[in-house]
Amino acid sequence: DTGVSQDPRHKITKRGQNVTFRCDPISEHNRLYWYRQTLGQGPEFLTYFQNEAQLEKSRLLSDRFSAERPKGSFSTLEIQRTEQGDSAMYLCASSDGRGDTQYFGPGTRLTVL
Amino acid sequence: QKEVEQDPGPLSVPEGAIVSLNCTYSNSAFQYFMWYRQYSRKGPELLMYTYSSGNKEDGRFTAQVDKSSKYISLFIRDSQPSDSATYLCAMSGGGSEKLVFGKGTKLTVNP
Repeated sequence: DTGVSQDPRHKITKRGQNVTFRCDPISEHNRLYWYRQTLGQGPEFLTYFQNEAQLEKSRLLSDRFSAERPKGSFSTLEIQRTEQGDSAMYLCASSDGRGDTQYFGPGTRLTVL
Repeated sequence: QKEVEQDPGPLSVPEGAIVSLNCTYSNSAFQYFMWYRQYSRKGPELLMYTYSSGNKEDGRFTAQVDKSSKYISLFIRDSQPSDSATYLCAMSGGGSEKLVFGKGTKLTVNP
């Protein structure tokens, strides 16, 4: 499978716990994006990387959220002190930078109890 | 006013019908326009991609962009039950690579 992969697919946690998600992009893609999608809404942009550099962050990305892409390959998204409002599908996408075409992974569904 | 407006539906059509899905937008800097299909609890799947104004056809799907009206459309011909999904419009431009999505339109094609 050469598409975008995400792990885990589902995560249930208690309020106040920290969680970390991983995304592996399509191998030749140098751009990696994180989005969040809640029920009945379209995905909302969180942040993006070109290689290992984080180039853009949304105001949605509060100080409890941090994303890294240390070697320009896979990326992690960490949420500290989770809140019930963080319950959502977290989507990762990648691109080779030609024409803004982004390919999405299957998502990580987070439930905060 | 949201940057991208999309009627969430739901839209229900009989098999074989022509489906028309639409989005309007307010940001004139948008240059790249996409349609994604999303099945329940799955990630969005890229269907069509258009740069600037014009039409693009791929099999049963046709995407149209009218930048003067800030209006984009997706047409599905000979719709099939397997087309039942949520269709998301997305766009970008103006120096930012982030995609701005509509809410999505939920389509059901009845056999």
